[in-house]
Amino acid sequence: ETGVTQSPTHLIKTRGQQVTLRCSSQSGHNTVSWYQQALGQGPQFIFQYYREEENGRGNFPPRFSGLQFPNYSSELNVNALELDDSALYLCASSSDRVGTTFGSGTRLTVV
Amino acid sequence: TQLLEQSPQFLSIQEGENLTVYCNSSSVFSSLQWYRQEPGEGPVLLVTVVTGGEVKKLKRLTFQFGDARKDSSLHITAAQPGDTGLYLCAGHQTGANNLFFGTGTRLTVIP
Repeated sequence: ETGVTQSPTHLIKTRGQQVTLRCSSQSGHNTVSWYQQALGQGPQFIFQYYREEENGRGNFPPRFSGLQFPNYSSELNVNALELDDSALYLCASSSDRVGTTFGSGTRLTVV
Repeated sequence: TQLLEQSPQFLSIQEGENLTVYCNSSSVFSSLQWYRQEPGEGPVLLVTVVTGGEVKKLKRLTFQFGDARKDSSLHITAAQPGDTGLYLCAGHQTGANNLFFGTGTRLTVIP
């Protein structure tokens, strides 16, 4: 059973650019959630995908968008990057509320 | 507005001491989870509690869910340097698909 894999592990982008982060969910998990974790804080919910449809969204602007593919892998896209978007982006997969597994995250730095 | 408040925010203790971390909210949660996160990694699930008043033990760690399902505590007995990390509580609310994370408690156990 493989865990949740995220890529890349680190990324540096310039303000105004666009970024795509990727996540391969754990085998058997059909739900993927994305979280943003700023330095020294707890993760904040961005959105969730279930069977390729958005299934809930947190308080993030529309320039944060996502996709889920038939194999349940997922992408997080952020347009028009701002300095405050610098954070650790976490992907979590689950098949029910008890079984959530997090990836190691992508550390995004916007300069 | 943070739904779950953790205290203390930082804790530095000597090896062998006991400690308690608190997770409080004015809202009710259908379940509550505790995670430990190490630098550069995603949160790792320690335990899930679902019933008011529930107590779960994991070796030297004892987790309790409040009777009203609004709060929880994590007690560590005889702390060891390997317990060092960021402890996060996170809850599910009925009707919501995501986890609401607490503010985190950064624990350092000094050898």
